[in-house]
Amino acid sequence: DVKVTQSSRYLVKRTGEKVFLECVQDMDHENMFWYRQDPGLGLRLIYFSYDVKMKEKGDIPEGYSVSREKKERFSLILESASTNQTSMYLCASSLPEKRTSEQYFGPGTRLTVT
Amino acid sequence: AQSVTQLDSHVSVSEGTPVLLRCNYSSSYSPSLFWYVQHPNKGLQLLLKYTSAATLVKGINGFEAEFKKSETSFHLTKPSAHMSDAAEYFCVVSFNTGGFKTIFGAGTRLFVKA
Repeated sequence: DVKVTQSSRYLVKRTGEKVFLECVQDMDHENMFWYRQDPGLGLRLIYFSYDVKMKEKGDIPEGYSVSREKKERFSLILESASTNQTSMYLCASSLPEKRTSEQYFGPGTRLTVT
Repeated sequence: AQSVTQLDSHVSVSEGTPVLLRCNYSSSYSPSLFWYVQHPNKGLQLLLKYTSAATLVKGINGFEAEFKKSETSFHLTKPSAHMSDAAEYFCVVSFNTGGFKTIFGAGTRLFVKA
């Protein structure tokens, strides 16, 4: 079974803090993704990576950065957390760019910024 | 423009009755289509996918979906709802535009009454 794990299920941070969300997959997938999920908006892509040290902006990258130093690990960084970044964050991985590849998701991290 | 629309934000059925979750898409390219399910406080799990083979696709837990190109639809159905089907369901379209693009619908929350 593909396993995608995320470092925390629940996280509470203060405004202005630097926040790290980590994601690890064990299936040797090239592609990894970070989404945020908000009610009524579905999933919105923040960043994705198609190889080590490679990254591309998604639809809503502002306020976020990412790091992929190893193939199995993809980190999302909030440089200075703000209350509008309170959300559910989902990590996913998939095989190389193919229209037919499904994504495998982690359980999510619910982040609250106060 | 490429898009995916889930026509109902909420659907409520009684246990043992049929389920219909509606999804329409718009794409200038040949799409792949997916349905994912998300149970409370969990990540997304693939239910089924269409990738230009058979238009009627069978998935896990008794769900199936039919790709209708003329109607640009990919509705999800199940003959008999079970209490454990209560969850949020996402319709997803994926295609190549020279790059990889995936669009998630806003989600349909399914309630199952005893």
